[in-house]
Amino acid sequence: AQTVTQSQPEMSVQEAETVTLSCTYDTSESNYYLFWYKQPPSRQMILVIRQEAYKQQNATENRFSVNFQKAAKSFSLKISDSQLGDTAMYFCAFMKHRGNKLVFGAGTILRVKS
Amino acid sequence: GAGVSQSPRYKVAKRGQDVALRCDPISGHVSLFWYQQALGQGPEFLTYFQNEAQLDKSGLPSDRFFAERPEGSVSTLKIQRTQQEDSAVYLCASSLNGGLNTEAFFGQGTRLTVV
Repeated sequence: AQTVTQSQPEMSVQEAETVTLSCTYDTSESNYYLFWYKQPPSRQMILVIRQEAYKQQNATENRFSVNFQKAAKSFSLKISDSQLGDTAMYFCAFMKHRGNKLVFGAGTILRVKS
Repeated sequence: GAGVSQSPRYKVAKRGQDVALRCDPISGHVSLFWYQQALGQGPEFLTYFQNEAQLDKSGLPSDRFFAERPEGSVSTLKIQRTQQEDSAVYLCASSLNGGLNTEAFFGQGTRLTVV
């Protein structure tokens, strides 16, 4: 079975600064996919970024980028130029190759302060 | 519709009552998922449909939980004889075909409180 661990229950960052959220996972699979989702108070989960394990290049989406370390089974999310609208719960998630269900971590609450 | 729609948004049930939670996926989406999210936790997989076929129900916590999608569109998650431990947010998601390259879109969830 796969597990996803987010060791930071809460994080704070000043507006315009950079913050990194940590995620580690455990799996015996060699090919899989990793995701970061954002869940604002409205509860709707929004996909932020995804990474395919067979790709060595780290994924980037505008202000969001990941540091994927396959050997260490680590998948951290970096948010640059933090904005007040980034305040939300962030979940790291895993999916097996040819799988269909997501396995989520417990989440990290991110607060962006003005 | 424009997105995944879930109803009701909030439901309070007395212990022992049966409840039904509805999910309207994005039109044309083949795959539909239900997740349970306890307070302060990440979502946990309950069940998965491809069209009307329930291909995976390994996450359903007990036989009191039942899900259906009879016409391959709207889905209902039914919980019989609710217990306090059933209190959670129930999230529905749909995707075009369930594969990795198709993003799963989530609804806003139904918050169930069992009193």
